[in-house]
Amino acid sequence: AQSVTQLGSHVSVSEGALVLLRCNYSSSVPPYLFWYVQYPNQGLQLLLKYTTGATLVKGINGFEAEFKKSETSFHLTKPSAHMSDAAEYFCAVSPTNTGNQFYFGTGTSLTVIP
Amino acid sequence: GAGVSQSPSNKVTEKGKDVELRCDPISGHTALYWYRQRLGQGLEFLIYFQGNSAPDKSGLPSDRFSAERTGESVSTLTIQRTQQEDSAVYLCASSAKVGRDTQYFGPGTRLTVL
Repeated sequence: AQSVTQLGSHVSVSEGALVLLRCNYSSSVPPYLFWYVQYPNQGLQLLLKYTTGATLVKGINGFEAEFKKSETSFHLTKPSAHMSDAAEYFCAVSPTNTGNQFYFGTGTSLTVIP
Repeated sequence: GAGVSQSPSNKVTEKGKDVELRCDPISGHTALYWYRQRLGQGLEFLIYFQGNSAPDKSGLPSDRFSAERTGESVSTLTIQRTQQEDSAVYLCASSAKVGRDTQYFGPGTRLTVL
């Protein structure tokens, strides 16, 4: 079965500092990869996704993620944190060979310190 | 345009009662997913509908859980004889087409079983 690991359930960064949220997956075949964000009192929304092609994917609000097959990782980064980035971030994978299920990580809560 | 809506937003019930949760997907979206999110945990896949195909029920945790969808419209998730461990936020998502398309999430239904 697929598994998605998000290291660090809580991450705190200072405003203007680099944001790095980690995601690793277990799969013998590279899956499709997603990052979703959940702002307080709002539903989940897609930040970015990787399906095929360029391994560095750019998303909304200045976020980007790089698919590294050798490391089975899809870490999310943003060069400079903003107060509005405070939210819960979820990494998700969808296997390319076993139907249309999605598997989500347990989430990382990002706090931005002024 | 209108997003995914869910009702009720909150539901408190007594152990042993049946509950029905409703999801209205985005118009024209062929795929619909149900997830469960327990406190402090990630999203747990429950069931997936795709057009008129047989649903993928592999994530349903027990036979107390069932879901229906009529065509490409409303879906209902029914939990019979609720237990305290069923307490969670139940999320619905829809996507436009087959495959690993972006999922659009509803705000969720928070179920509390006393």
